[in-house]
Amino acid sequence: GQQVMQIPQYQHVQEGEDFTTYCNSSTTLSNIQWYKQRPGGHPVFLIQLVKSGEVKKQKRLTFQFGEAKKNSSLHITATQTTDVGTYFCAGNSGAGSYQLTFGKGTKLSVIP
Amino acid sequence: AAGVIQSPRHLIKEKRETATLKCYPIPRHDTVYWYQQGPGQDPQFLISFYEKMQSDKGSIPDRFSAQQFSDYHSELNMSSLELGDSALYFCASSQLNTGELFFGEGSRLTVL
Repeated sequence: GQQVMQIPQYQHVQEGEDFTTYCNSSTTLSNIQWYKQRPGGHPVFLIQLVKSGEVKKQKRLTFQFGEAKKNSSLHITATQTTDVGTYFCAGNSGAGSYQLTFGKGTKLSVIP
Repeated sequence: AAGVIQSPRHLIKEKRETATLKCYPIPRHDTVYWYQQGPGQDPQFLISFYEKMQSDKGSIPDRFSAQQFSDYHSELNMSSLELGDSALYFCASSQLNTGELFFGEGSRLTVL
């Protein structure tokens, strides 16, 4: 079945440093989504990427979808304490599947 | 804006008992998903419904069943509970053509 790998599992950064998490799928994806989950909270949708090579920005967050539509990354510039949480990528293989397969997540800690 | 409503928020059961979780999706959303998230784990897809019909099935144990009713709310029924079933159970809803999942706040099940 479809597998989505995500690294690193944990990342500790000093406030103001940059942060990147990477996502790799075992199969070509129809689209990839990114979610953020705060401690004790529920996953909250950040963005969806659909096109090969797509790059989207949301303020300090930059999302990329690989040319082969099998990998993706999320980069945060100049982290803030409000960025703390676990970032999940989630892929959909399409072909009539409703299943969104989540990566293991990257837990971000920001040291003030 | 209305969000996904889940009940109960917390549930404590003994081994071999039965539990039922309820989910009320966002109005006009046509797809409902159930996910299970263990401590420190990523959400694992259990099952989904599109327009009240089961649309996809993931790692849902045979002891679990789910359905979506005419008013679009969904229920996850879990029988013969085991200690390993202790987890956060999230319901999410979406409009299929947009892809974005809106998660409820989850139901925390503890099996003793």
